[in-house]
Amino acid sequence: AQSVTQLGSHVSVSEGALVLLRCNYSSSVPPYLFWYVQYPNQGLQLLLKYTSAATLVKGINGFEAEFKKSETSFHLTKPSAHMSDAAEYFCAVSGPYEKLTFGTGTRLTIIP
Amino acid sequence: NAGVTQTPKFRVLKTGQSMTLLCAQDMNHEYMYWYRQDPGMGLRLIHYSVGEGTTAKGEVPDGYNVSRLKKQNFLLGLESAAPSQTSVYFCASRVVGANVLTFGAGSRLTVL
Repeated sequence: AQSVTQLGSHVSVSEGALVLLRCNYSSSVPPYLFWYVQYPNQGLQLLLKYTSAATLVKGINGFEAEFKKSETSFHLTKPSAHMSDAAEYFCAVSGPYEKLTFGTGTRLTIIP
Repeated sequence: NAGVTQTPKFRVLKTGQSMTLLCAQDMNHEYMYWYRQDPGMGLRLIHYSVGEGTTAKGEVPDGYNVSRLKKQNFLLGLESAAPSQTSVYFCASRVVGANVLTFGAGSRLTVL
């Protein structure tokens, strides 16, 4: 079975500062890893995904994540936060063609 | 726009009442899912379907039933609603061979 742990249910950063959202995974098979974003009163949208190709994955809106097998991590980063990045972010894991298991989410607040 | 449509968007029920949430997708996706989202718990899988006429239990299936009579529709039923079923419900779908889910906008259910 796969699972993910998101460290920090709330993260606040100043506009223009680095965004770092943490995700650690547990998987008995090579995992597929995802970051989804949820804006207020909306469904989830895919930010980026790792499917065993390049370990550094670039997504939409300037976000990227690095798969580190030795640390079982898949942290999400963005060099410079923008007010529009305020949202809830979910890390998720699956095996190939299997169901997604989501983390508990991290709410990102941007301080003007 | 093509995608996943959920109806209704909002509903208030009394304890013991029944209702059905409808999910419709027009992307010819084989796989469909129902999740519930609760504060601090992320998204939890209720039931899912890998094709027309098939359904399976997810992580939190108790108190819910589902049906997939047509490929494009996935219905989630509550036979006797309980306050613990107050939640936001999300439907998602994906094509075979791809791990990326397309989500609906959500249905907010309150059980009094």
